[in-house]
Amino acid sequence: AQSVTQLGSHVSVSEGALVLLRCNYSSSVPPYLFWYVQYPNQGLQLLLKYTTGATLVKGINGFEAEFKKSETSFHLTKPSAHMSDAAEYFCAVRGSGGGADGLTFGKGTHLIIQP
Amino acid sequence: EPEVTQTPSHQVTQMGQEVILRCVPISNHLYFYWYRQILGQKVEFLVSFYNNEISEKSEIFDDQFSVERPDGSNFTLKIRSTKLEDSAMYFCASRSGRSSNEQFFGPGTRLTVL
Repeated sequence: AQSVTQLGSHVSVSEGALVLLRCNYSSSVPPYLFWYVQYPNQGLQLLLKYTTGATLVKGINGFEAEFKKSETSFHLTKPSAHMSDAAEYFCAVRGSGGGADGLTFGKGTHLIIQP
Repeated sequence: EPEVTQTPSHQVTQMGQEVILRCVPISNHLYFYWYRQILGQKVEFLVSFYNNEISEKSEIFDDQFSVERPDGSNFTLKIRSTKLEDSAMYFCASRSGRSSNEQFFGPGTRLTVL
């Protein structure tokens, strides 16, 4: 079984500031980890994912995330926020084993960008 | 760019009525999914579908729910007798194959049960 905790339902940063969205997971098997973004009235779009290999993964729009097994974390960062980054961000996990592949999502973090 | 589409965007129904939510996954994708998000809550997995059968389902996916791929392009979610608590945003997703881990999501159908 897997679970995801996203700390902070709302995060507000100034334009140009560092973005840090936190995600912690639990999984009984090695996890696959994902960050999705949702803009208003749109579906979920994959930002980046970790499956195996390099623990620092880069995604679209300048975002990156680092898988830290010892901390069971997969925090999302971006060095410099842009107004267009304002959206809802979801962290998700699934087990790496065969078979079950439904994603388990966190509750989401609403990112607000202050001008 | 190929995308998952869902219809309708918003469905309003009376409690006890049957509803069918429709999805057109990306062409040549093999794995299909339904998720739901009750307002203010997390996105929850309902069911996955592969090779014309359910491969996994959550506790939420009880006998009131069913899925079907009737014609090789559409993927539907049927709720037989809707309850107030079925009001939610329902997302369809698809994935190309075993080697791909990315699920592509549709824009969702907002279901309101009165």
